[in-house]
Amino acid sequence: NAGVTQTPKFRVLKTGQSMTLLCAQDMNHEYMYWYRQDPGMGLRLIHYSVGEGTTAKGEVPDGYNVSRLKKQNFLLGLESAAPSQTSVYFCASSYSTASGGAYEQFFGPGTRLTVL
Amino acid sequence: GEDVEQSLFLSVREGDSSVINCTYTDSSSTYLYWYKQEPGAGLQLLTYIFSNMDMKQDQRLTVLLNKKDKHLSLRIADTQTGDSAIYFCAARNYGQNFVFGPGTRLSVLP
Repeated sequence: NAGVTQTPKFRVLKTGQSMTLLCAQDMNHEYMYWYRQDPGMGLRLIHYSVGEGTTAKGEVPDGYNVSRLKKQNFLLGLESAAPSQTSVYFCASSYSTASGGAYEQFFGPGTRLTVL
Repeated sequence: GEDVEQSLFLSVREGDSSVINCTYTDSSSTYLYWYKQEPGAGLQLLTYIFSNMDMKQDQRLTVLLNKKDKHLSLRIADTQTGDSAIYFCAARNYGQNFVFGPGTRLSVLP
């Protein structure tokens, strides 16, 4: 199993350009997440999905859109990139939290995005 | 909402014990986690503790939970250079999303 993979690993954009980050998981997880990591701020949740065809806003959703057309894929889009979106982006997936058990989020290796 | 705080840096000598501390604000948090992030990689779960436990031990790792003070700690015994990483504390309640702390960068000096 590959686990959680992210494409691309690195990207440099100019202000105003658009791009899509792809996350794929092969663990049949229901839930998928997009986080951004900034120095001294930990991970902040951008958007998440609790199943195919569903998405929800996290803590910092502005400037981002997401889609979950297939269970195994979760796409993060930047329509008009801004320098404030320079960050490392992590995708994660997990089983449903509805059962109430402790569960693990499995993380991808990250995408380092620079917006000039 | 939940807020999770950690000190940002810790340096220890190889062979010493490391103690990484974390505080959280939501007393209803049910699960508390420690994740490790090595350079250039994603986060990996180290261990977690359920809120009705005071302590959990797993080989060199000991997690202590003080619910009254909403304080969580991770002790790494016999710290090695391979333990150098960023350690994230996270809290979660039933059916809720994770809330991560800012991470503690552990440096292990030879």
